Amino acid sequence: DAGVIQSPRHEVTEMGQEVTLRCKPISGHNSLFWYRQTMMRGLELLIYFNNNVPIDDSGMPEDRFSAKMPNASFSTLKIQPSEPRDSAVYFCASSRTATYEQYFGPGTRLTVT
Amino acid sequence: GQQLNQSPQSMFIQEGEDVSMNCTSSSIFNTWLWYKQDPGEGPVLLIALYKAGELTSNGRLTAQFGITRKDSFLNISASIPSDVGIYFCAGHDNYGQNFVFGPGTRLSVLP
Repeated sequence: DAGVIQSPRHEVTEMGQEVTLRCKPISGHNSLFWYRQTMMRGLELLIYFNNNVPIDDSGMPEDRFSAKMPNASFSTLKIQPSEPRDSAVYFCASSRTATYEQYFGPGTRLTVT
Repeated sequence: GQQLNQSPQSMFIQEGEDVSMNCTSSSIFNTWLWYKQDPGEGPVLLIALYKAGELTSNGRLTAQFGITRKDSFLNISASIPSDVGIYFCAGHDNYGQNFVFGPGTRLSVLP
Protein backbone atom coordinates (compact mmCIF):
# COMPACT_ATOMS: atom_id res chain seq x y z
CA ASP A 1 0.00 0.00 0.00
CA ALA A 2 1.24 3.50 -0.76
CA GLY A 3 2.16 5.57 2.25
CA VAL A 4 1.76 9.30 2.65
CA ILE A 5 3.12 11.05 -0.43
CA GLN A 6 4.65 14.51 -0.27
CA SER A 7 6.00 16.76 -2.99
CA PRO A 8 8.39 18.25 -3.65
CA ARG A 9 11.03 16.49 -1.52
CA HIS A 10 13.26 19.54 -1.68
CA GLU A 11 12.46 23.17 -2.35
CA VAL A 12 14.88 26.07 -2.52
CA THR A 13 13.38 29.51 -2.99
CA GLU A 14 14.19 33.14 -2.45
CA MET A 15 12.75 35.25 0.30
CA GLY A 16 9.42 36.74 -0.68
CA GLN A 17 8.43 33.95 -3.04
CA GLU A 18 5.32 31.82 -2.60
CA VAL A 19 5.88 28.19 -1.65
CA THR A 20 3.31 25.41 -1.96
CA LEU A 21 3.82 22.02 -0.37
CA ARG A 22 1.62 19.09 -1.32
CA CYS A 23 0.42 15.98 0.45
CA LYS A 24 -1.57 12.90 -0.47
CA PRO A 25 -2.70 10.99 2.62
CA ILE A 26 -3.11 7.24 2.89
CA SER A 27 -6.35 6.16 1.27
CA GLY A 28 -9.11 5.71 3.83
CA HIS A 29 -7.51 7.95 6.43
CA ASN A 30 -9.82 10.70 7.64
CA SER A 31 -7.34 12.90 9.48
CA LEU A 32 -4.39 14.81 8.06
CA PHE A 33 -1.69 16.68 9.93
CA TRP A 34 1.00 19.19 8.89
CA TYR A 35 4.16 19.41 11.02
CA ARG A 36 7.32 21.48 10.88
CA GLN A 37 10.63 20.15 12.18
CA THR A 38 13.68 22.21 13.08
CA MET A 39 16.70 21.50 15.23
CA MET A 40 15.73 24.23 17.66
CA ARG A 41 12.03 23.47 18.08
CA GLY A 42 11.71 19.80 17.17
CA LEU A 43 8.44 18.59 15.68
CA GLU A 44 5.66 21.18 15.82
CA LEU A 45 2.07 20.54 14.82
CA LEU A 46 0.92 23.33 12.51
CA ILE A 47 -2.63 22.30 11.64
CA TYR A 48 -4.80 19.23 11.35
CA PHE A 49 -7.89 18.34 9.36
CA ASN A 50 -10.62 15.87 10.14
CA ASN A 51 -12.80 14.81 7.19
CA ASN A 52 -11.27 17.67 5.16
CA VAL A 53 -12.27 20.29 7.75
CA PRO A 54 -9.56 22.25 9.62
CA ILE A 55 -9.94 21.44 13.30
CA ASP A 56 -6.97 23.07 15.00
CA ASP A 57 -4.75 25.65 13.31
CA SER A 58 -3.34 27.11 16.51
CA GLY A 59 0.13 25.97 15.52
CA MET A 60 0.22 27.96 12.29
CA PRO A 61 2.93 30.54 12.98
CA GLU A 62 1.35 33.53 11.28
CA ASP A 63 -0.91 34.68 8.49
CA ARG A 64 1.73 33.96 5.89
CA PHE A 65 0.89 30.26 6.37
CA SER A 66 -2.29 28.73 5.04
CA ALA A 67 -3.46 25.16 4.50
CA LYS A 68 -6.28 23.65 2.50
CA MET A 69 -7.77 20.23 2.02
CA PRO A 70 -10.12 20.41 -0.97
CA ASN A 71 -10.81 16.66 -0.91
CA ALA A 72 -9.96 13.51 1.02
CA SER A 73 -6.88 12.74 -1.07
CA PHE A 74 -5.07 16.06 -1.27
CA SER A 75 -3.84 18.87 0.94
CA THR A 76 -1.60 21.88 0.47
CA LEU A 77 0.42 24.04 2.81
CA LYS A 78 1.22 27.45 1.39
CA ILE A 79 3.67 30.07 2.62
CA GLN A 80 3.34 33.54 1.11
CA PRO A 81 5.63 35.41 1.29
CA SER A 82 8.35 33.04 2.45
CA GLU A 83 11.10 34.13 4.83
CA PRO A 84 14.49 32.57 5.70
CA ARG A 85 13.18 31.57 9.15
CA ASP A 86 10.65 29.31 7.43
CA SER A 87 13.49 27.01 6.41
CA ALA A 88 12.70 23.60 7.92
CA VAL A 89 11.47 20.14 7.05
CA TYR A 90 7.70 20.02 6.65
CA PHE A 91 5.96 16.71 7.26
CA CYS A 92 2.48 15.58 6.41
CA ALA A 93 0.93 12.71 8.38
CA SER A 94 -2.39 10.93 8.18
CA SER A 95 -4.39 8.66 10.46
CA ARG A 96 -7.67 6.76 10.38
CA THR A 97 -9.11 9.11 12.97
CA ALA A 98 -7.74 12.07 14.90
CA THR A 99 -7.04 9.86 17.93
CA TYR A 100 -5.39 6.99 16.09
CA GLU A 101 -1.73 6.47 15.27
CA GLN A 102 -0.29 8.77 12.62
CA TYR A 103 1.78 7.76 9.60
CA PHE A 104 4.26 10.25 8.23
CA GLY A 105 5.35 11.15 4.74
CA PRO A 106 9.02 11.57 3.78
CA GLY A 107 8.89 15.33 4.28
CA THR A 108 9.73 18.40 2.20
CA ARG A 109 12.99 20.13 3.02
CA LEU A 110 12.43 23.85 2.46
CA THR A 111 15.29 26.29 2.20
CA VAL A 112 14.50 29.99 1.88
CA THR A 113 17.48 32.16 0.98
CA GLY B 1 0.42 23.26 26.43
CA GLN B 2 1.23 19.62 26.97
CA GLN B 3 4.90 18.71 27.23
CA LEU B 4 6.67 15.39 27.00
CA ASN B 5 10.16 14.81 28.34
CA GLN B 6 12.45 12.14 27.01
CA SER B 7 15.59 10.77 28.58
CA PRO B 8 18.32 10.43 27.84
CA GLN B 9 18.67 13.15 25.21
CA SER B 10 21.36 11.11 23.50
CA MET B 11 23.22 7.89 24.07
CA PHE B 12 26.20 6.06 22.67
CA ILE B 13 26.24 2.29 23.03
CA GLN B 14 28.22 -0.64 21.77
CA GLU B 15 26.70 -2.95 19.18
CA GLY B 16 25.01 -5.83 20.94
CA GLU B 17 24.09 -3.89 24.07
CA ASP B 18 20.53 -3.40 25.27
CA VAL B 19 19.04 0.10 25.27
CA SER B 20 16.43 1.70 27.53
CA MET B 21 14.82 5.09 27.11
CA ASN B 22 11.78 6.69 28.63
CA CYS B 23 9.19 9.36 28.15
CA THR B 24 7.33 11.23 30.88
CA SER B 25 4.46 13.67 31.10
CA SER B 26 3.10 15.81 33.88
CA SER B 27 -0.44 14.81 32.93
CA ILE B 28 -2.28 11.64 32.04
CA PHE B 29 -2.08 10.32 28.50
CA ASN B 30 -4.50 7.94 26.81
CA THR B 31 -2.12 6.62 24.18
CA TRP B 32 1.62 6.34 23.82
CA LEU B 33 3.34 5.93 20.49
CA TRP B 34 7.01 5.36 19.73
CA TYR B 35 8.53 6.50 16.44
CA LYS B 36 12.00 6.22 14.92
CA GLN B 37 13.37 8.79 12.49
CA ASP B 38 16.30 8.10 10.19
CA PRO B 39 18.24 11.03 8.66
CA GLY B 40 16.34 12.59 5.78
CA GLU B 41 13.20 10.56 6.41
CA GLY B 42 9.91 10.96 8.20
CA PRO B 43 9.22 9.35 11.58
CA VAL B 44 8.20 5.71 11.31
CA LEU B 45 5.78 4.21 13.81
CA LEU B 46 7.35 1.42 15.88
CA ILE B 47 4.85 0.60 18.62
CA ALA B 48 1.45 1.92 19.74
CA LEU B 49 0.14 1.47 23.30
CA TYR B 50 -3.45 2.05 24.35
CA LYS B 51 -3.87 0.66 27.88
CA ALA B 52 -2.15 1.38 31.18
CA GLY B 53 0.27 -1.42 31.98
CA GLU B 54 0.28 -2.69 28.39
CA LEU B 55 3.54 -4.29 27.30
CA THR B 56 4.01 -4.69 23.54
CA SER B 57 6.88 -6.07 21.49
CA ASN B 58 7.91 -5.56 17.90
CA GLY B 59 10.92 -7.74 17.15
CA ARG B 60 13.78 -6.58 19.36
CA LEU B 61 11.75 -3.61 20.57
CA THR B 62 9.55 -3.67 23.67
CA ALA B 63 7.50 -0.76 24.95
CA GLN B 64 5.34 -0.34 28.03
CA PHE B 65 2.51 2.00 28.91
CA GLY B 66 3.19 3.10 32.49
CA ILE B 67 0.66 2.24 35.21
CA THR B 68 0.34 5.91 36.19
CA ARG B 69 -0.42 6.75 32.53
CA LYS B 70 2.19 9.48 32.79
CA ASP B 71 5.12 7.59 31.34
CA SER B 72 6.26 5.03 28.81
CA PHE B 73 9.43 3.04 28.24
CA LEU B 74 11.10 1.68 25.13
CA ASN B 75 13.71 -1.04 25.26
CA ILE B 76 15.84 -2.29 22.39
CA SER B 77 17.64 -5.59 22.86
CA ALA B 78 20.92 -6.59 21.20
CA SER B 79 21.39 -3.30 19.33
CA ILE B 80 22.63 -3.29 15.76
CA PRO B 81 24.05 -0.46 13.61
CA SER B 82 20.72 0.17 11.85
CA ASP B 83 19.14 1.07 15.20
CA VAL B 84 20.91 4.44 14.90
CA GLY B 85 18.44 7.31 14.71
CA ILE B 86 16.20 9.53 16.76
CA TYR B 87 13.47 7.89 18.82
CA PHE B 88 10.40 9.99 19.56
CA CYS B 89 7.60 9.29 21.96
CA ALA B 90 4.20 10.81 21.27
CA GLY B 91 0.76 10.55 22.69
CA HIS B 92 -2.77 11.77 23.08
CA ASP B 93 -3.70 13.48 26.32
CA ASN B 94 -6.61 12.41 28.50
CA TYR B 95 -9.11 14.36 26.46
CA GLY B 96 -7.85 13.03 23.15
CA GLN B 97 -7.62 16.57 21.89
CA ASN B 98 -3.92 17.14 21.94
CA PHE B 99 -1.30 14.99 20.21
CA VAL B 100 2.22 15.90 21.24
CA PHE B 101 5.74 14.71 20.46
CA GLY B 102 8.67 14.47 22.81
CA PRO B 103 12.00 16.08 21.91
CA GLY B 104 13.55 12.72 21.01
CA THR B 105 16.41 10.49 22.11
CA ARG B 106 19.34 10.30 19.68
CA LEU B 107 20.85 6.83 19.61
CA SER B 108 24.32 6.08 18.28
CA VAL B 109 25.59 2.51 18.01
CA LEU B 110 29.33 1.97 17.96
CA PRO B 111 30.64 -1.09 16.10
